[in-house]
Amino acid sequence: AQTVTQSQPEMSVQEAETVTLSCTYDTSESDYYLFWYKQPPSRQMILVIRQEAYKQQNATENRFSVNFQKAAKSFSLKISDSQLGDAAMYFCAYRSVWNTGKLIFGQGTTLQVKP
Amino acid sequence: DTGVSQDPRHKITKRGQNVTFRCDPISEHNRLYWYRQTLGQGPEFLTYFQNEAQLEKSRLLSDRFSAERPKGSFSTLEIQRTEQGDSAMYLCASSGRDGSYEQYFGPGTRLTVT
Repeated sequence: AQTVTQSQPEMSVQEAETVTLSCTYDTSESDYYLFWYKQPPSRQMILVIRQEAYKQQNATENRFSVNFQKAAKSFSLKISDSQLGDAAMYFCAYRSVWNTGKLIFGQGTTLQVKP
Repeated sequence: DTGVSQDPRHKITKRGQNVTFRCDPISEHNRLYWYRQTLGQGPEFLTYFQNEAQLEKSRLLSDRFSAERPKGSFSTLEIQRTEQGDSAMYLCASSGRDGSYEQYFGPGTRLTVT
């Protein structure tokens, strides 16, 4: 069975600075997808960025980028130029290529952005 | 397109009562997922529908839980004889038939069992 681990329950960053959230996962599969989701307080979860395991190039979406290390089973999220609106809980998630598409989530990291 | 909606947003019930939640996915989405999220934790998968067929159920889904998706549109999740351990946020998500792997989440139903 696949597992996802986020070892940082809380992180904080100064506005305009850069922060990196860590995620490791365990799987025996070679093809899969990885995601970072953002869940603002009392608001619904939204997708931040996704990575296909077969792609060597790290995904980037504006201020958000990932460092995908397949051999190490590591998938970190870097947020550049942090903004107050980035404050939220961030979840790393795994999706197998072969099953129903269910997501396996980590425990989450609460990000605080200080003005 | 108004996104995924869930009703009610909050539900307080007494132990032993039955509750039912509704999820309306994005209209053209054929895939629908239910997750449960307890405070401070990541969501955990409960069940999956493709159109009207329930194709996967988690071991978390005890026999007190039942889900349906008649006609492949909205879905309902019913919990019978609620227990305090059922208190959680119940999230619904949908994704499209184009093979897209992005799941769009609803706002959730927060259940409190007293």
